[in-house]
Amino acid sequence: KNEVEQSPQNLTAQEGEFITINCSYSVGISALHWLQQHPGGGIVSLFMLSSGKKKHGRLIATINIQEKHSSLHITASHPRDSAVYICAAARIQGAQKLVFGQGTRLTINP
Amino acid sequence: DGGITQSPKYLFRKEGQNVTLSCEQNLNHDAMYWYRQDPGQGLRLIYYSQIVNDFQKGDIAEGYSVSREKKESFPLTVTSAQKNPTAFYLCASSPSHPSGSYEQYFGPGTRLTVT
Repeated sequence: KNEVEQSPQNLTAQEGEFITINCSYSVGISALHWLQQHPGGGIVSLFMLSSGKKKHGRLIATINIQEKHSSLHITASHPRDSAVYICAAARIQGAQKLVFGQGTRLTINP
Repeated sequence: DGGITQSPKYLFRKEGQNVTLSCEQNLNHDAMYWYRQDPGQGLRLIYYSQIVNDFQKGDIAEGYSVSREKKESFPLTVTSAQKNPTAFYLCASSPSHPSGSYEQYFGPGTRLTVT
């Protein structure tokens, strides 16, 4: 079993829908990262959080440390949100070495 | 503009040849990383460096080598000993603190194809 699991692996939705991507991890962490990878391959860091909730524009990330679970939400989704979303756990020991989930491929249709 | 550059974007090599992938950053970050991405799999850490002239093996270091002679540069050599070198390679950097986790900044990647 992978230390970081994401669900779903693929998600297709219509423009405007509310999107939720889930991430569960089995290791003790100092922080959880959410990344976005566009079709060209480049990766952008969206959030780094160790507790609670963070919001940036239409994106919201939450984390529940007790349940070892994080979610990424997208409100009012748009075709430009289509990308692969990756969660990555920073272990308590060796926080520089991230453990990555397999990614969730999101497609938003107009 | 501050950022990370990787060159080239696409690289083709014949089997048995060593090839070096370039990674340069002007973010003044201490730590740099090399990851490999294969279809359907998460990113895997090849090597990382927390300071100049020092680097550590990641989870899949076999068949790869690195150097860190300058803070800005962290080149990765894919040697002929690497069994399956065809992959997408990503370089990243971050500030470094022994007890903290910092956001990592990624380069655009190099897609290596070995035939």
